Amino acid sequence: KAGVTQTPRYLIKTRGQQVTLSCSPISGHRSVSWYQQTPGQGLQFLFEYFSETQRNKGNFPGRFSGRQFSNSRSEMNVSTLELGDSALYLCASSLGFTGGEKLFFGSGTQLSVL
Amino acid sequence: QKEVEQNSGPLSVPEGAIASLNCTYSDRVSQSFFWYRQYSGKSPELIMSIYSNGDKEDGRFTAQLNKASQYVSLLIRDSQPSDSATYLCAVVAGNQFYFGTGTSLTVIP
Repeated sequence: KAGVTQTPRYLIKTRGQQVTLSCSPISGHRSVSWYQQTPGQGLQFLFEYFSETQRNKGNFPGRFSGRQFSNSRSEMNVSTLELGDSALYLCASSLGFTGGEKLFFGSGTQLSVL
Repeated sequence: QKEVEQNSGPLSVPEGAIASLNCTYSDRVSQSFFWYRQYSGKSPELIMSIYSNGDKEDGRFTAQLNKASQYVSLLIRDSQPSDSATYLCAVVAGNQFYFGTGTSLTVIP
């Protein structure tokens, strides 16, 4: 069974640009969550999608947005990039029916903003 | 603000010893508890889940949960150098995951 797939693996952008990250969950999983990980802050929750609807949202500015498609694949978009957005962005999938099931993480996208 | 607290370490243990990792959480209605292992440059990997008070054993790993004390721990028996990683505690409350910042473990050969 294929795991969670994230693309691209690495990204280098400059301030002011926008970026789109992609995540394909484990087959059968309907929930996709996004996290930002930095050395000092640990894993910070961005948002969760279930059946194409945003079910939970963390405390990030509106520059961070996401969506989920009917096949459960999800994208995350960051507009007007700032230096502080440099981080590892992790996607995690779960079955999603109860909201507290096991999360399985993808390999992440390492974003560097110059 | 729901909080999950872990000692950041680093925690160093000799090979073959027991490594004890601790986590406290603030939300009394937390429902599910998980331990993830993260190697440097890699993504978190689920190693244990625990839902009720007591101990849960899986191979060399034992998770312990005490809801009254809002405390969850992970014991690694017969620690191996390959166990050297950062261990993340995760707590679910209100159907949302809350992660600690992790404890860095080094197993010395």
